[in-house]
Amino acid sequence: DVKVTQSSRYLVKRTGEKVFLECVQDMDHENMFWYRQDPGLGLRLIYFSYDVKMKEKGDIPEGYSVSREKKERFSLILESASTNQTSMYLCASRSPSRGYSYGYTFGSGTRLTVV
Amino acid sequence: SQQGEEDPQALSIQEGENATMNCSYKTSINNLQWYRQNSGRGLVHLILIRSNEREKHSGRLRVTLDTSKKSSSLLITASRAADTASYFCATATSGNTGKLIFGQGTTLQVKP
Repeated sequence: DVKVTQSSRYLVKRTGEKVFLECVQDMDHENMFWYRQDPGLGLRLIYFSYDVKMKEKGDIPEGYSVSREKKERFSLILESASTNQTSMYLCASRSPSRGYSYGYTFGSGTRLTVV
Repeated sequence: SQQGEEDPQALSIQEGENATMNCSYKTSINNLQWYRQNSGRGLVHLILIRSNEREKHSGRLRVTLDTSKKSSSLLITASRAADTASYFCATATSGNTGKLIFGQGTTLQVKP
């Protein structure tokens, strides 16, 4: 089974800190995604990556950046953390070469609190 | 932007009963997927239905898709307490971006 591993389950950071959220998948998937999940708002796409060194903005990219230097790793960066970035962050991956019969594989999530 | 909207937002049933959740969406799609999320965890892919399919089954799950009404339903038959979770529909538009847009989810509670 594909595994998507997010480095931290819980994280507490201070306002203004630079925060790195790491996501690693072990099945050579080309596509990777970062979502945030908030009560009443569902999952919203922050950034996604088609392949190594490629990235596209999602619906709410402001205040975030990403890095994909290696195929298996997709990092989400909060340049200067703010309290409104307190949320659950979910990473997912997918392989388009497997066709449309397969969905995303998600990590367990990182619950980030910015104080 | 929200594409899928689930209905109801919350559902509480007794074990053994069937649970039906509905999803509506706005734009044309390539496929529609349903996911499950246990409290505080990541999402798990349940089933995918393509735009040219009308019904699909997987174990106790039955999904229907009506592209003319831009709606889908997820039926869980003979529910169990372990089915307690949030359920999300997500739509993929045409093209190979793989980008999914999720609805806000239905919270299902199955009472033993």
